[in-house]
Amino acid sequence: DAGVTQSPTHLIKTRGQQVTLRCSPKSGHDTVSWYQQALGQGPQFIFQYYEEEERQRGNFPDRFSGHQFPNYSSELNVNALLLGDSALYLCASSALAGGPAEQYFGPGTRLTVT
Amino acid sequence: KQEVTQIPAALSVPEGENLVLNCSFTDSAIYNLQWFRQDPGKGLTSLLLIQSSQREQTSGRLNASLDKSSGRSTLYIAASQPGDSATYLCAVGGGSNYQLIWGAGTKLIIKP
Repeated sequence: DAGVTQSPTHLIKTRGQQVTLRCSPKSGHDTVSWYQQALGQGPQFIFQYYEEEERQRGNFPDRFSGHQFPNYSSELNVNALLLGDSALYLCASSALAGGPAEQYFGPGTRLTVT
Repeated sequence: KQEVTQIPAALSVPEGENLVLNCSFTDSAIYNLQWFRQDPGKGLTSLLLIQSSQREQTSGRLNASLDKSSGRSTLYIAASQPGDSATYLCAVGGGSNYQLIWGAGTKLIIKP
């Protein structure tokens, strides 16, 4: 079992550009959540996808969007990048099973915006 | 609004000591609580998951307790080792709210 995988590992972008991050969930999981973690802070919830739809969203602007594919993998897109978007982006997968379940995290994508 | 606090923010102890990390939350209507470990620049490793109906969970040298009525959880690490050095985060899962609410973490350093 490969666990949760994310790509790329690191990314450097310029202000105003757009970025796409990718996540493959753990085998048997149907739900993907995305989190942003700034240096020295706990992760902040961006959104969660289930059955190819955004199920819940945190306090992030519309510049942050996502998608879930039929194979349960997911993408996080960020438009019009700002310096403040520099962070570790974490993907977590879970088996929804009707309620909050244990979440398994990938290694993250380190995004640097210059 | 659920808020999660972890105290202390940093802790340095000699190898071999037993230690306790604290996590408090403001809303007792939680579904579960997870403790994670994060090494510098790395992702999160789940250590223990406690469902709201449980009082504690154990894995090896780790024991996590949950007291919903007082809004507290503790992570007990026995016989600490230098390899335990990392940041430890707790995260609370709420009722119909599927997101995890996180503390800022406790940075633990175990001195050889």
